[in-house]
Amino acid sequence: SQKIEQNSEALNIQEGKTATLTCNYTNYSPAYLQWYRQDPGRGPVFLLLIRENEKEKRKERLKVTFDTTLKQSLFHITASQPADSATYLCALPYSGGYQKVTFGTGTKLQVIP
Amino acid sequence: DGGITQSPKYLFRKEGQNVTLSCEQNLNHDAMYWYRQDPGQGLRLIYYSQIVNDFQKGDIAEGYSVSREKKESFPLTVTSAQKNPTAFYLCASRGVTEAFFGQGTRLTVV
Repeated sequence: SQKIEQNSEALNIQEGKTATLTCNYTNYSPAYLQWYRQDPGRGPVFLLLIRENEKEKRKERLKVTFDTTLKQSLFHITASQPADSATYLCALPYSGGYQKVTFGTGTKLQVIP
Repeated sequence: DGGITQSPKYLFRKEGQNVTLSCEQNLNHDAMYWYRQDPGQGLRLIYYSQIVNDFQKGDIAEGYSVSREKKESFPLTVTSAQKNPTAFYLCASRGVTEAFFGQGTRLTVV
């Protein structure tokens, strides 16, 4: 079955540095991949979508890459700020249909002032 | 304001009781979803519905039931058959590609 892996350990970085989060997947070739942000006690919020034919996508200080050969997506936050502290989830559509989406367990990012 | 509204935010249930979690959306989306989130775990799909009067089981449907009588509403009932119902429950609807989530309901069995 398809599996998504995100680093379950928290990532602590200094303010102003670039944070890089990893999402690996197996047993699947998705047409797109999504990234969401989740704050404690709240629902996830959509950030970015990248399609299989796109190598890179940018939105303000966010950058996502998608390597279908490595089956990996990298999520970068440049010039990180304490307000970026949250859990970041990657998500893929289920194989066999895009009606459902599988979410990773998320990586907690802590930006230290 | 367009979005997903879940209520209540916190819910306490005695063992053996059924409880219903509300989810309403005004985004005019056809597809709606219920997820369960436990500490340190990802979102697990309970049920989903792609159209009114139709819904399908997700990965962990046992002990739960849903209805979809109106496009705007997709309530989830946690029945007494659910052995470990304490969790954070999230309702979502799907736009063209991305999901829009409510603020969640935290259910605790006392």
